[in-house]
Amino acid sequence: AQTVTQSQPEMSVQEAETVTLSCTYDTSESDYYLFWYKQPPSRQMILVIRQEAYKQQNATENRFSVNFQKAAKSFSLKISDSQLGDAAMYFCAYRIQGAQKLVFGQGTRLTINP
Amino acid sequence: GAVVSQHPSWVICKSGTSVKIECRSLDFQATTMFWYRQFPKQSLMLMATSNEGSKATYEQGVEKDKFLINHASLTLSTLTVTSAHPEDSSFYICSAPRGFGSPLHFGNGTRLTVT
Repeated sequence: AQTVTQSQPEMSVQEAETVTLSCTYDTSESDYYLFWYKQPPSRQMILVIRQEAYKQQNATENRFSVNFQKAAKSFSLKISDSQLGDAAMYFCAYRIQGAQKLVFGQGTRLTINP
Repeated sequence: GAVVSQHPSWVICKSGTSVKIECRSLDFQATTMFWYRQFPKQSLMLMATSNEGSKATYEQGVEKDKFLINHASLTLSTLTVTSAHPEDSSFYICSAPRGFGSPLHFGNGTRLTVT
């Protein structure tokens, strides 16, 4: 079974600084997708960034970027120039190609210190 | 704007009653929808996959008779918590892909409190 592990229950960062959230996963599949979702206090799930496993290039979305290490089965999220609005729970998620359901990690609560 | 609408946002019911939660795709057809449950400060746990025109697929450990899922149209899936008990109190979230292979769009969730 596929599993997703986020080893950092909580992280904090000073506003305007950079923070990296860790995620590892376990799978025997070769084709899959990885995602980072943000869940602010409103509890709305918001897609932050996604990565296709067949792509070697790391995905980037404005201040958000990932470090995808397929061999190590690692998928970390880097947030640059942290803003107060980035404070939220962040979930790493996995989906195999051909399927649609997501498997989520335990989540990391990110606090931004002004 | 929101592409998946979930209703109600919160509901309080008495133990032993049933509660229905609706999940609608607003501007696309969803043959598949997913229902998740989230306990406080925990992750999302997939409960079941709702399939339009056929039976839902439940994850291991989820009681089919307790959590009834109906996907009667291409834009609506419902989750009914039957004979609710306090331990069913939780946050329930539905989601749907806009198209096959697309990322999931999530509803705003329903906070259920059973007294």
